[in-house]
Amino acid sequence: DTAVSQTPKYLVTQMGNDKSIKCEQNLGHDTMYWYKQDSKKFLKIMFSYNNKELIINETVPNRFSPKSPDKAHLNLHINSLELGDSAVYFCASSFTLAKNIQYFGAGTRLSVL
Amino acid sequence: GIQVEQSPPDLILQEGANSTLRCNFSDSVNNLQWFHQNPWGQLINLFYIPSGTKQNGRLSATTVATERYSLLYISSSQTTDSGVYFCAGAVGSYIPTFGRGTSLIVHP
Repeated sequence: DTAVSQTPKYLVTQMGNDKSIKCEQNLGHDTMYWYKQDSKKFLKIMFSYNNKELIINETVPNRFSPKSPDKAHLNLHINSLELGDSAVYFCASSFTLAKNIQYFGAGTRLSVL
Repeated sequence: GIQVEQSPPDLILQEGANSTLRCNFSDSVNNLQWFHQNPWGQLINLFYIPSGTKQNGRLSATTVATERYSLLYISSSQTTDSGVYFCAGAVGSYIPTFGRGTSLIVHP
């Protein structure tokens, strides 16, 4: 069974649309993350949730809104998509915020046309 | 935040060769991890190594926390080792900062 699963794997959409990416982990971890990987492979953290509470919110446009209905799920909703949002988005989880060995999902490749 | 520098940025090896990848940090980190991103994009955690040395098969890692660097050793490289190797560290608030990676190609 996949430990951290993201859906969809690929997302192609037009500028201005709203889209969501879902993430679920079955590891029993308390902490979940969203990362953005740009075309040069640079990985940057966007958000971190610990037990459904927002812990880290890096400099991310407020068009991006994470939602954690329970500690096993962390979804990412993006409003009014822009060309610059095209990237690979990775979800990850860790036991806790301090003991943060990261387990990554397979990534969602978002292409905004 | 901390700065993370990885070297070399690119590395090309013949199968069977050994290599050393380096990660330097601008500040002392309280946790440090190495990852491998395979050519299909999957990110796999290789080591959680805030200090000391660990080994896993042909891979080993050493972190010298007082000197703010970590090394990843790959011995007898195989084509399946190709991909990008990232290190990441965090200080205090536990926000992981990633280096820009070392892109490795292993030729048969």
